[in-house]
Amino acid sequence: AQSVTQPDIHITVSEGASLELRCNYSYGATPYLFWYVQSPGQGLQLLLKYFSGDTLVQGIKGFEAEFKRSQSSFNLRKPSVHWSDAAEYFCAVAQGAAGNKLTFGGGTRVLVKP
Amino acid sequence: NAGVTQTPKFRVLKTGQSMTLLCAQDMNHEYMYWYRQDPGMGLRLIHYSVGEGTTAKGEVPDGYNVSRLKKQNFLLGLESAAPSQTSVYFCASSYSRVLAGDYNEQFFGPGTRLTVL
Repeated sequence: AQSVTQPDIHITVSEGASLELRCNYSYGATPYLFWYVQSPGQGLQLLLKYFSGDTLVQGIKGFEAEFKRSQSSFNLRKPSVHWSDAAEYFCAVAQGAAGNKLTFGGGTRVLVKP
Repeated sequence: NAGVTQTPKFRVLKTGQSMTLLCAQDMNHEYMYWYRQDPGMGLRLIHYSVGEGTTAKGEVPDGYNVSRLKKQNFLLGLESAAPSQTSVYFCASSYSRVLAGDYNEQFFGPGTRLTVL
């Protein structure tokens, strides 16, 4: 069965500093990988996705993620964090492009210090 | 377009009571999903539907029932609520047809916070 692990439950970062969120997955075939963001009291919004091709993918709000098959990882990065980036971030893997079986990680809550 | 909407936003139930959560989408999506979100566990799929009149079990279906009588609506029912069903419930929807090299993004509603006492 597929699974997703986000090792960091909470991360605190200063505004303007860089941010990296870790994600490790377990999936037998080529994974469809995603990062979602959930602002307080809101639903989930897709930040970026990876299926194939270039292993460095760009997303919205200045985020990027790198797929590393050898490490089964899909880490999310942002060079300079803004206060509005304070949110919870979820990594997810899908069984195929139809996406009707999304498996989520436990989430990482990001706090941004002024 | 309103996207995906959920009713109600908050609800408190007593153990044994029943209730129905309503999800509506105006994007003409074929697929619809119900998830629950619990601290440290991310979102887990309860049930999903690939079209009007069809439903299927997800990862944690026990204690829930669903119905998809209309394409735009997906109802989640709790027949006899238990404290273990205290959670935030999210509905999502997506297209079914996959464009070459792409993926059917799931669009999420704002959630329903349910407390069972």
